[in-house]
Amino acid sequence: QKEVEQNSGPLSVPEGAIASLNCTYSDRGSQSFFWYRQYSGKSPELIMFIYSNGDKEDGRFTAQLNKASQYVSLLIRDSQPSDSATYLCAVKWLIFGTGTRLQVFP
Amino acid sequence: DTGVSQDPRHKITKRGQNVTFRCDPISEHNRLYWYRQTLGQGPEFLTYFQNEAQLEKSRLLSDRFSAERPKGSFSTLEIQRTEQGDSAMYLCASSLSKSEAFFGQGTRLTVV
Repeated sequence: QKEVEQNSGPLSVPEGAIASLNCTYSDRGSQSFFWYRQYSGKSPELIMFIYSNGDKEDGRFTAQLNKASQYVSLLIRDSQPSDSATYLCAVKWLIFGTGTRLQVFP
Repeated sequence: DTGVSQDPRHKITKRGQNVTFRCDPISEHNRLYWYRQTLGQGPEFLTYFQNEAQLEKSRLLSDRFSAERPKGSFSTLEIQRTEQGDSAMYLCASSLSKSEAFFGQGTRLTVV
């Protein structure tokens, strides 16, 4: 079992919709969780960090953490074509999943 | 530019040769990470330094890979006797706290 699992996608959503990205992890002891965005040919850039159960909001992004169920999700409200990228979930000292490719179409 | 700097940006080498990459973290960042990323995959953790101490090393890392961070500043990643399977993007990241990390632009290695 991989430490961090993500659906590779692509996840296609229309402009203005909510995109929901999910991630599960195997180590119950994980304390820190990250969402990174990576455009094609570029390095990952940090979107959100979360360590407490519940929701954390930052602009159009909301991260949700459920440690009992061992999943963390990212919601993107009012999705824009510029949000089209691969979204990487990471835990602990940055153990990454394979990423979910998001496509936002006009 | 005060971000994470990696050098070189691109490296083409013949199979069997040794290569060394350098990473300069953001000033005062005590944590430094190395990753390898291939097309369509997430970054694969290689190793982690806190200051000059190498605290974690992936068991996926073979003996051909070694990393150092003398004096807790810049870091080097060396690959000995390169193989075609080593072709990838090698990413470095640094952080000051556990809540964030910033990536460099990476070094793309091609082994021919």
